[in-house]
Amino acid sequence: AQRVTQPEKLLSVFKGAPVELKCNYSYSGSPELFWYVQYSRQRLQLLLRHISRESIKGFTADLNKGETSFHLKKPFAQEEDSAMYYCALSGNKLVFGAGTILRVKS
Amino acid sequence: ETGVTQSPTHLIKTRGQQVTLRCSSQSGHNTVSWYQQALGQGPQFIFQYYREEENGRGNFPPRFSGLQFPNYSSELNVNALELDDSALYLCASSWQESTDTQYFGPGTRLTVL
Repeated sequence: AQRVTQPEKLLSVFKGAPVELKCNYSYSGSPELFWYVQYSRQRLQLLLRHISRESIKGFTADLNKGETSFHLKKPFAQEEDSAMYYCALSGNKLVFGAGTILRVKS
Repeated sequence: ETGVTQSPTHLIKTRGQQVTLRCSSQSGHNTVSWYQQALGQGPQFIFQYYREEENGRGNFPPRFSGLQFPNYSSELNVNALELDDSALYLCASSWQESTDTQYFGPGTRLTVL
């Protein structure tokens, strides 16, 4: 079965602090992992996918198959990063975690 | 380039009624997926349509059905509405070749009383 777990409902950090949004997954095959983001009053949109291995808006995520994790990281949080973040896994369908609200305080 | 649009924005129905939600895919996309997002939860996959055929289904009962039209727009139909069907329904479009990069619509908020 495919499952995605985001253990934190809310993560609150100060501007300039490092951010790590946790994501763990369960899947027996070779997974494709994604992070989607939803800013206030905007639609859900793709932030990054693990196969791209790129940094988007300063965010990176590394797939760790041994720990079945795909944590999202940014070294210095900015206020505009405040949003809802969803980790998602694609096997035979796209499965989302419950999401983590990131709140960046000034 | 036109983004994904959904209609209506909000809808209120009563138990037992039927509802149809509509989605226009992003220009050039041939695949549409539907999701149900309950309050405080992530989106849950309902089903996907590619070239007018169902191409994968999540754990939803048969009273959730869909259609895709030749122009790749899509409908989600829900029969015999239940209170638990109250949710935000999201439509997402993509290329079949890259079904995982999905472009989401703004959603339809369905309330069942």
